[in-house]
Amino acid sequence: NAGVTQTPKFQVLKTGQSMTLQCAQDMNHEYMSWYRQDPGMGLRLIHYSVGAGITDQGEVPNGYNVSRSTTEDFPLRLLSAAPSQTSVYFCASSSYGGHGYTFGSGTRLTVV
Amino acid sequence: EDQVTQSPEALRLQEGESSSLNCSYTVSGLRGLFWYRQDPGKGPEFLFTLYSAGEEKEKERLKATLTKKESFLHITAPKPEDSATYLCAVQASGGTSYGKLTFGQGTILTVHP
Repeated sequence: NAGVTQTPKFQVLKTGQSMTLQCAQDMNHEYMSWYRQDPGMGLRLIHYSVGAGITDQGEVPNGYNVSRSTTEDFPLRLLSAAPSQTSVYFCASSSYGGHGYTFGSGTRLTVV
Repeated sequence: EDQVTQSPEALRLQEGESSSLNCSYTVSGLRGLFWYRQDPGKGPEFLFTLYSAGEEKEKERLKATLTKKESFLHITAPKPEDSATYLCAVQASGGTSYGKLTFGQGTILTVHP
């Protein structure tokens, strides 16, 4: 099992560019979520999904879009990148009931 | 609004010097409290889930406990390889809250040989 796979691992964007951060899990987990981690701010929830076709906003959703068309994939789209979106992004998944979330290894994004 | 506060922000120990990390929380009905370990440049690694006050869980040199207001991560006779950031998170009960974790800012633990 690969667990939670995030791609790319590193990315540099120019202000205004768009891109998609990929997240895939092979554990048939119902729950998937995206977090960003900034120094001194901890992990903050961006968007989450409780199943295919169902998504909801977290604490810091502005500037990001998600969709969940399959159980396995939960991509995060940056519509128009801003320097404030420079961060490390983590995807996580869990089975129904959430006894323990599994995190990916992260995507380090820099917006210049 | 769910809140999690961890203390201290950083903790430096000598090898073998036992100590505890604190996680204080407020949540509208606790479904679970999670402890994670995070090494530099890596994603959080799951350690424990606690569900109700009085519950305790152990793994090697780590022991997690839970009360109605806080959780402690006790580290007994730590080794340098225990150096990491330890994260605490809560999950509220009910509806789509199962999909959300609220994290504290973490405690950076450094164990010197």
